[in-house]
Formats: sequence, structure tokens, C-alpha cells
Amino acid sequence: IAGITQAPTSQILAAGRRMTLRCTQDMRHNAMYWYRQDLGLGLRLIHYSNTAGTTGKGEVPDGYSVSRANTDDFPLTLASAVPSQTSVYFCASSERSLSGANVLTFGAGSRLTVL
Amino acid sequence: GQNIDQPTEMTATEGAIVQINCTYQTSGFNGLFWYQQHAGEAPTFLSYNVLDGLEEKGRFSSFLSRSKGYSYLLLKELQMKDSASYLCAVLDSNYQLIWGAGTKLIIKP
Repeated sequence: IAGITQAPTSQILAAGRRMTLRCTQDMRHNAMYWYRQDLGLGLRLIHYSNTAGTTGKGEVPDGYSVSRANTDDFPLTLASAVPSQTSVYFCASSERSLSGANVLTFGAGSRLTVL
Repeated sequence: GQNIDQPTEMTATEGAIVQINCTYQTSGFNGLFWYQQHAGEAPTFLSYNVLDGLEEKGRFSSFLSRSKGYSYLLLKELQMKDSASYLCAVLDSNYQLIWGAGTKLIIKP
């Protein structure tokens, strides 16, 4: 089934540890995104990539980094995790960016707890 | 600043009709989206409006008034499986999506 695969599904992490959340899509979408979702808040964009080889900062990029070496993969790295990064992380993709009817397809999410 | 407002929670009865409102203030407008998110799952696309008026898709309809900065999602013949959060999002002038916090819809038998 075409879509987005995220791993891990859930993780408990000690503060200060490095963590990479993996995201792979098989739809050949150009654009990919990382969001975090916290109770009572809307989805917030962390980083995005309009096409392979390029990345950009979203609304809340501090403490996170991404890379886009190819079309399919878009990993998110927390260099030194802090408790405020406890959240549910969603990877998403769209056929193209910077256009109107830009429908996002989301992965199932990664629930991260930083202690 | 940019802002999307929608009610935090709504309750409705199975078989009834419910309207979920969304008001927005954004820098520019390139369309409004509604997504459905069941608890513990990913959001899934429901509708996209860029012109004023009503778009109907089965039991779900979405309305947009750009002059009022207002949209609503109308759900008819409610089913228990419609219990979910409904997210409103606006594409601003830079083609960035601004998300509301979502409306949790509880359906009672």
C-alpha cells in the first residue's frame, strides 16, 4: 500500500540523548514535511523539503535537523533531546509544494517522550 | 499574527447533523483545508475550498466565505465512526499551512 512509513512508532528517551525519527514515502512526492502535534495546539511545522536536496525551516525548527538525500527519505534528528520535545511527530508529503490544492498525506506518527 | 479558531469540542447524536465552524485571520489566502483525525491516528484529507460557496462530498460538505474569513464543515447522517477531531488549515500567501487546534467531535448513540 502506497504511503508513508514512520519509525519508531513510540520511543522513551533520556534527556541529552540523540534521536533520529525515520520517514520514508513510496509515492514519489516532491515535498516532505515534519510536524509536531501537542495537546491544545495546531500542527506546527518543524522543517520541510520542497524537493530532494533542499530543506527549509518551519515554525519551530530549534533543536531539530533534517536531511533530504533522495526523494523517498526525510529523517528528523534531535541532536540533544529535551523534555519540551515530548510530542507526537508526524511526517507528511505532498505531490508538490507552493501550490494551491496541496493535499498532504501523513504517516502514522511517532510518539516521543523525553524524560 | 496568523490565527485559526475552531471550537475545542462538540457533541452530537448519531443520525443528526453537525456544523463545525472555523474562522481565520491569515496573511493572504490560497485555500482552506479540512482534515479528519481519529484518536491516535494520522490526519486524513477531507476537503479543499478556494472559492466561496459550498462543496458537497457525500455526507460531508464544506463552505467558505473569504470576505468573512469563515468556513464550516457540515456532517450529515452522523455515524459513530465520525467521532474524531476535525482540523481546519489555511494556506497563506507564502503557501504555508496554518493549522487550527482541531475540534473534537463526540457522537452519542
